[in-house]
Order: sequence, then C-alpha cells, then structure tokens
Amino acid sequence: AQSVTQLGSHVSVSEGALVLLRCNYSSSVPPYLFWYVQYPNQGLQLLLKYTTGATLVKGINGFEAEFKKSETSFHLTKPSAHMSDAAEYFCAVSERYSSASKIIFGSGTRLSIRP
Amino acid sequence: SAVISQKPSRDICQRGTSLTIQCQVDSQVTMMFWYRQQPGQSLTLIATANQGSEATYESGFVIDKFPISRPNLTFSTLTVSNMSPEDSSIYLCSVDLKNEQFFGPGTRLTVL
Repeated sequence: AQSVTQLGSHVSVSEGALVLLRCNYSSSVPPYLFWYVQYPNQGLQLLLKYTTGATLVKGINGFEAEFKKSETSFHLTKPSAHMSDAAEYFCAVSERYSSASKIIFGSGTRLSIRP
Repeated sequence: SAVISQKPSRDICQRGTSLTIQCQVDSQVTMMFWYRQQPGQSLTLIATANQGSEATYESGFVIDKFPISRPNLTFSTLTVSNMSPEDSSIYLCSVDLKNEQFFGPGTRLTVL
C-alpha cells in the first residue's frame, strides 16, 4: 500500500524567499514520485517527477525536488518565491513496475506569497 | 503528451438525479482513471477503467453509485447516480502515458 504525507496544509513565504514544501511517502515497492500544482479554478499541472536515475529532479518554473530514499522524502523547493507561485501543491506517489499505475495524492499544501 | 477533454465542464443538478461525465483523450491508452476532488480537498481515486473489462473501484466507491463505461481506448464515462449535495465535487479523468499521468480539466458538479 502507498501513502503520501504533506506536512503543513498552508505555507506562507515572502516574495524572494526560499520555498520548501515537505512530502514524505510510504511505498512497499520502488516509487514514482510527483509534484503537481493547481492554480485557482484550474486543472492539475505536473511540476516534476522522479522515476529513476538522478535523485535531484528539476521541474518547471524553477522548482526542484530531491528523492531521498533513506528519509522516504521528496521535498519541493524553489530558491526565490514569486507572486505567481501562489497555488495548491500536491505530492503524489505511484508504484514503479505496476500495471495499475494509479497515483495516490497527498492532502495538498496551499502556498501563499507575501509581497 | 496527451490532450484530454471532459464534458460537461460544469453542471448544477438536482438531488436524486444522475449525471454522466464524458472523457475523451487524443491517444489510445490502456488505463483511464477517475478522481474526485471535494471542495478544499485533495484528489481521491474513484476507479481505474480498462478497456474491455469491468472498472476497479477503490475502497468507499461502488459501481452502483459511480458506474463507468470504457467502450474504446480513447473514451470513458463516469456516471454519478442518485446525487446528493455531498457529491458536489470536481470530477477529473486522467490517463497514464509513458509513465506520466495527464489530467483532464475537470467537471465541476454542484448538487442542490
């Protein structure tokens, strides 16, 4: 069984500050890991994903995440927040090598940016 | 990538009625997924739909309430039956294509 825990339902940072959104996962098999962003009244957009290979994954809009197997974590970071980053962010996991490929989502973290 | 469309984009329905949501994808895919996103909540998987077989439902979801059709490799429907206000949500379909999951724009359902 898989699960995802996102620490902090709401994170607020100042414009230009570091963004850190935390995600821990549980999976009995090697996982695929994802971060999605959802802007108000819009659909889901994939920010980045980890499948295999390099554990530091770079995504769109300057975001990156690092897969740390020993910590079962996949935290999302961005060095300098921009006002346009305000959105809901979802961490998600799916089973590698599984034919089902279903994705399990975390509860989400709402990111607010202070001017 | 995959382009996914959903119909309707939104609807307001009366309690006790049913609504069928259509999902069309521009590529042939083996599996399609239906999710629900209740107001202010995350996405919850309702079921996985394979072409030519019965859908597989997640815990808490049953076929009588959420019947699904999957007549071909590019199309699926989800019906929300005997609706109540608690069914007010965004319903999204998604597909897995080359280990990346793409999501439709969602159907925003309000039940009065």
